[in-house]
Amino acid sequence: ETGVTQSPTHLIKTRGQQVTLRCSSQSGHNTVSWYQQALGQGPQFIFQYYREEENGRGNFPPRFSGLQFPNYSSELNVNALELDDSALYLCASSRTVRGGNNEQFFGPGTRLTVL
Amino acid sequence: TQLLEQSPQFLSIQEGENLTVYCNSSSVFSSLQWYRQEPGEGPVLLVTVVTGGEVKKLKRLTFQFGDARKDSSLHITAAQPGDTGLYLCAPPGSGGYNKLIFGAGTRLAVHP
Repeated sequence: ETGVTQSPTHLIKTRGQQVTLRCSSQSGHNTVSWYQQALGQGPQFIFQYYREEENGRGNFPPRFSGLQFPNYSSELNVNALELDDSALYLCASSRTVRGGNNEQFFGPGTRLTVL
Repeated sequence: TQLLEQSPQFLSIQEGENLTVYCNSSSVFSSLQWYRQEPGEGPVLLVTVVTGGEVKKLKRLTFQFGDARKDSSLHITAAQPGDTGLYLCAPPGSGGYNKLIFGAGTRLAVHP
């Protein structure tokens, strides 16, 4: 069974640029959540995708957007990058079933540095 | 908005020592999860505590959920360098649709 994978592992961008981060969910999982983890902090929920639609969003501006594909993989896009966007971006996959919240499995993250 | 406070923020100890870290909130939770995040990795679920007063053991790790389900503790006996990492607590499924709201974590370093 393949776990959650993310690409790239590291990325350096400059202010104002756009970035796309990718996540492949674990086999059998249909839900992907994205988190931002700033240095010295716990992960902060960005949004979740289920059945290719956004299924909930945290306190992040619209320049953070995402997609989920039919194979349940997902992308996180960030436009107009700011210095404060520098962080570890974590993807977590899970299997959503009716009436249940299932364990989320995290990928190793993408380290984004904005200069 | 639920606020989770974890203490201490940092802990640096020698191999073989015992330690306890805490997760506190003013909110009541139906359950609480503990994760460990090692450098360069994502968080990994260690345990879910559900019942007030519940105690769960995972080898040298003992997790307790407070009677009022507002707080939890993690006790590590005879810490080893492999225990090094960031320990995070989070109530699962808070706010609906299975999102996790994490505390800031306790960063533990165990030195040989």
